[in-house]
Amino acid sequence: QSALTQPASVSGSPGQSITISCTGTSSDVGSYNYVSWYQQHPGKAPKLLIYDVSYRPSGVSNRFSGSKSGNTASLTISGVQAEDEADYYCSSYRGSSTYVFGTGTKVTVL
Amino acid sequence: QVQLVETGGGLVKPGGSLRLSCAASGFTFSDYYMSWIRQAPGKGLEWVSYISSSGRITYYADSVKGRFTISRDNAKNSLYLQLNSLRAEDTALYYCAREMTTVTATYYGMDVWGQGTTVTVSS
Repeated sequence: QSALTQPASVSGSPGQSITISCTGTSSDVGSYNYVSWYQQHPGKAPKLLIYDVSYRPSGVSNRFSGSKSGNTASLTISGVQAEDEADYYCSSYRGSSTYVFGTGTKVTVL
Repeated sequence: QVQLVETGGGLVKPGGSLRLSCAASGFTFSDYYMSWIRQAPGKGLEWVSYISSSGRITYYADSVKGRFTISRDNAKNSLYLQLNSLRAEDTALYYCAREMTTVTATYYGMDVWGQGTTVTVSS
């Protein structure tokens, strides 16, 4: 089960917007509106940022937004802040009742 | 508060077995689907398995199918993962997580995570 493809790293200056892509196939991202995004700080458990492509759980900053086009999902961080420096993972339903995570993206705030 | 606590990790030889547990509190455990996810040292997240709220439906990643078994005891608010025929590549931090999907609604996301328990497979 090959992972979804994410850029290894993305960086931005404080206040800028950055976008992380998550590329799958027509068997996962392209076929279902079941994409979620997670933030993981070093040594910590992942935290859910986005579910069902574009919905934010209660308590998650509205600086985080999700979208999808074709086989690619995206996470945008608007007005990136120092505390946003972390690893980010996408995940998608893949059919046959299985899930798949992305390769992960390290976000650096310059 | 809503909490998941994993236990049961440790050092085991290749071919050995281990049983992981995840104790849930602060929510109605029997309403929620649950998953196990693992993270090898310095690597990304890998979904391992999930189980329906009743326990009747279970699914596994190809990498663990036939070797791992997920189960739950709703009376004890506990989730389990039985790991058999362990291999070096199973070495990882194992997280349990609450799925947002419940008996009445389907959403895709894992909104509560434990801190994980470490499994090391080495001779």
